[in-house]
Amino acid sequence: NAGVTQTPKFQVLKTGQSMTLQCAQDMNHNSMYWYRQDPGMGLRLIYYSASEGTTDKGEVPNGYNVSRLNKREFSLRLESAAPSQTSVYFCASSLRRTFTDTQYFGPGTRLTVL
Amino acid sequence: GQQLNQSPQSMFIQEGEDVSMNCTSSSIFNTWLWYKQEPGEGPVLLIALYKAGELTSNGRLTAQFGITRKDSFLNISASIPSDVGIYFCAGQPGGSGGSYIPTFGRGTSLIVHP
Repeated sequence: NAGVTQTPKFQVLKTGQSMTLQCAQDMNHNSMYWYRQDPGMGLRLIYYSASEGTTDKGEVPNGYNVSRLNKREFSLRLESAAPSQTSVYFCASSLRRTFTDTQYFGPGTRLTVL
Repeated sequence: GQQLNQSPQSMFIQEGEDVSMNCTSSSIFNTWLWYKQEPGEGPVLLIALYKAGELTSNGRLTAQFGITRKDSFLNISASIPSDVGIYFCAGQPGGSGGSYIPTFGRGTSLIVHP
C-alpha cells in the first residue's frame, strides 16, 4: 500500500516547454487534489476532482489543466511553463467527496522553470 | 482572497519545552485543520476541529477552535527532536453556501535542540 505517489520527483523546464505531473493513489479514494507550495507560503489549491469524471478549479488554476484519468490517477499539465510556475507541487486524495475528509498527501514534485 | 496569519514564523526551542502557535483569520471559518510537514515530504493532518470552542488532543498535541471562529491554536507539550518540521494551519469557510476549499497559513517552522 503505497498511498499517494507522484512522478517525477524533480523536474527542470525551460520557459515555454510543456510537461505532465502524474499522481496515483491506491487507497480507493474518491477525491483527488493538486496544490502548489511556494517558499514561505502555505499550500494553494490548483484543481480538484471530487469524483471520477469531474474536475473543478481551485484558487490558482490559470496556466494548468488536469485530467482524472480513472479513479486512481489525476494528472496536472503545464502547457507552456513560465518561471512563475516554479514551485513544489503536491497531489492529495481523500476518501469522501468533501474537503472536510482527511486528505493524504504525496511526497511532492519539485519543479523549476528557467 | 481570505487571509490567514500564522505566528510565530519560526521557533527554536530546547527539548522538553512546550510550544504554542496560532492562526488568525480576517473572516469566519467553520473548520480548522492543523498539519505537519517534514523536509521533503507532503503535509500530514494532525488535528481537525469542527466546532467553535472545541478542544482536541492527539498525544502531546492539543488544538483549539477559537470562540470567534476567526482563530485557532496549537500547543505541543514536552517537545522532542522528532517534533521538528513546519506546522501549517488551514481554515475552511464551509457552512451554508460557503466554499470548502481550504486556505492555508504560511507555516511555523519548529526546531528542537536536544
